Amino acid sequence: KQEVTQIPAALSVPEGENLVLNCSFTDSAIYNLQWFRQDPGKGLTSLLLIQSSQREQTSGRLNASLDKSSGRSTLYIAASQPGDSATYLCAVRRDYGGSQGNLIFGKGTKLSVKP
Amino acid sequence: EPEVTQTPSHQVTQMGQEVILRCVPISNHLYFYWYRQILGQKVEFLVSFYNNEISEKSEIFDDQFSVERPDGSNFTLKIRSTKLEDSAMYFCASKTGLTYNEQFFGPGTRLTVL
Repeated sequence: KQEVTQIPAALSVPEGENLVLNCSFTDSAIYNLQWFRQDPGKGLTSLLLIQSSQREQTSGRLNASLDKSSGRSTLYIAASQPGDSATYLCAVRRDYGGSQGNLIFGKGTKLSVKP
Repeated sequence: EPEVTQTPSHQVTQMGQEVILRCVPISNHLYFYWYRQILGQKVEFLVSFYNNEISEKSEIFDDQFSVERPDGSNFTLKIRSTKLEDSAMYFCASKTGLTYNEQFFGPGTRLTVL
């Protein structure tokens, strides 16, 4: 059974710092991996999607990497800002015939960027 | 930019009552999903829907739950007889027909069962 783990559960950094959020998954047979941002009491905003054949994706100050064989992904945030404060969720989509792509989520890393 | 919308944003109901949560997926999307998040817990998959039928469901999605696409735009989740443990944030998501594309999530409906 696929399990997704995110470490650390919470992270507090000063503004301007570069940081890395970690995601690990137990079954390497994934179709893709998606990183989301969730603000308190709000929905999920998709940040980056990495296909299983890709090694990384970039969007602005965000860079996500994927090492499928070791079951790991990282989300790198450059030059963090207070507006980056949120919970970051990692989710994997299973890869098996007939799957309509339901996502399996980690519990998230709660990021706080102090001014 | 197109987005998934959900109504209501917050629903309070008494235990045993029926509730219907509504979603309007992005218009050209073909795959639809419901997920839920109990406070402090992971987001969990409930059900996926394609071509007017359920394509996959989790063990959470028992006989108390049903989904429907009553017209060309709405996608609903019905809970027939709510329990206290159904209290959660319910998210609708949708995706295009391309298998590799990402899922887009709505803002959620917070369901409180008293």
